[in-house]
Amino acid sequence: AQKVTQAQTEISVVEKEDVTLDCVYETRDTTYYLFWYKQPPSGELVFLIRRNSFDEQNEISGRYSWNFQKSTSSFNFTITASQVVDSAVYFCALSEALTGANNLFFGTGTRLTVIP
Amino acid sequence: SQTIHQWPATLVQPVGSPLSLECTVEGTSNPNLYWYRQAAGRGLQLLFYSVGIGQISSEVPQNLSASRPQDRQFILSSKKLLLSDSGFYLCAWSGNRGYSNQPQHFGDGTRLSIL
Repeated sequence: AQKVTQAQTEISVVEKEDVTLDCVYETRDTTYYLFWYKQPPSGELVFLIRRNSFDEQNEISGRYSWNFQKSTSSFNFTITASQVVDSAVYFCALSEALTGANNLFFGTGTRLTVIP
Repeated sequence: SQTIHQWPATLVQPVGSPLSLECTVEGTSNPNLYWYRQAAGRGLQLLFYSVGIGQISSEVPQNLSASRPQDRQFILSSKKLLLSDSGFYLCAWSGNRGYSNQPQHFGDGTRLSIL
């Protein structure tokens, strides 16, 4: 069965610190996709990144970077030089190739608070 | 560009009353559509998804139902609301190419409070 675990319920950092949000997943499918979403206080979910199971290359986008390691079933998200606007709940999610309807299995989220 | 609209933004309903939440997508055709519920302080739970008009799949048993009367319209309904139906409801769409790698794009959500 598929499962996404975000063990960190809440994290607080001081502005300009780096912070890493952990995500561990479980799946029996050999083809799967991992996602990160951001949910700011306004409530809407904002898509950040998608990574497929065949591509373990890490990705950097500005202050954001993602570390995908199949050996440990992890897809961690690092924010460098955090800013107050980064304060939000961040969700990691998994979808599998078994279904064509893009079912996403979400973790329970990590609430990040960046203190000015 | 594609946009997704969801309304109302906030709703307060008494127990036992009916419910209708609407979601529409613009700028794309034949999208996959989804309804999620997010209980306070918790993750998202997929309630329904649809791959086409009239095609609805339910992920969890409940007193809610969904319908897709038009290609880009997705409606969440209930005949009698329960206290446990309170939560934040999110509609989402994704491309429909048969592969599960399409990101889902979410509406602004409806905050539903049952009294």
